[in-house]
Amino acid sequence: GDSVTQMEGPVTLSEEAFLTINCTYTATGYPSLFWYVQYPGEGLQLLLKATKADDKGSNKGFEATYRKETTSFHLEKGSVQVSDSAVYFCALIEAGNMLTFGGGTRLMVKP
Amino acid sequence: KAGVTQTPRYLIKTRGQQVTLSCSPISGHRSVSWYQQTPGQGLQFLFEYFSETQRNKGNFPGRFSGRQFSNSRSEMNVSTLELGDSALYLCASSLASPSYNEQFFGPGTRLTVL
Repeated sequence: GDSVTQMEGPVTLSEEAFLTINCTYTATGYPSLFWYVQYPGEGLQLLLKATKADDKGSNKGFEATYRKETTSFHLEKGSVQVSDSAVYFCALIEAGNMLTFGGGTRLMVKP
Repeated sequence: KAGVTQTPRYLIKTRGQQVTLSCSPISGHRSVSWYQQTPGQGLQFLFEYFSETQRNKGNFPGRFSGRQFSNSRSEMNVSTLELGDSALYLCASSLASPSYNEQFFGPGTRLTVL
């Protein structure tokens, strides 16, 4: 079945550092890919998405490119802020409306 | 536009009891999906309802059930609660056209089973 693997955290960075959170997936077809963010005590918010190969999703300074050849969708941000501290989830949908999530990566940004 | 709302936000039950959680989707959204989030298993899909019919189901025992009403509001029920059912239960709604539509999540209901 489909699966998503993302780097384990926590990832601890200083403010203004460069962020990369790795995500790779396994799917039989051509899934749509997503990054969701979860702030403490809240539900999930869609951060960005890409629906086909070579698409780049971007939002709030975060970017991720759908790489079919490496089955990856790594999340990047050039300069993180303390307010970016949260848990980030990589996810895919291949069929229907069922999201398959990775295990989540906790990001901690220190001032 | 109001977001997805879930009630109650927190719930404490004891083993063997049953519980019902409620989800009100965004106005106009016809699909409602439920997910369970635990530290050990992460986020797992429970089921999806569309037009009052269960359209997809995850790999959970029959103690987990749900339904959807004509106004698209959904409830999920867990019977004979076990300690392992302690989790954050998240509901998500979407327009659900034939192609994929973005899912909007509610804040979740945190269930604690003692």
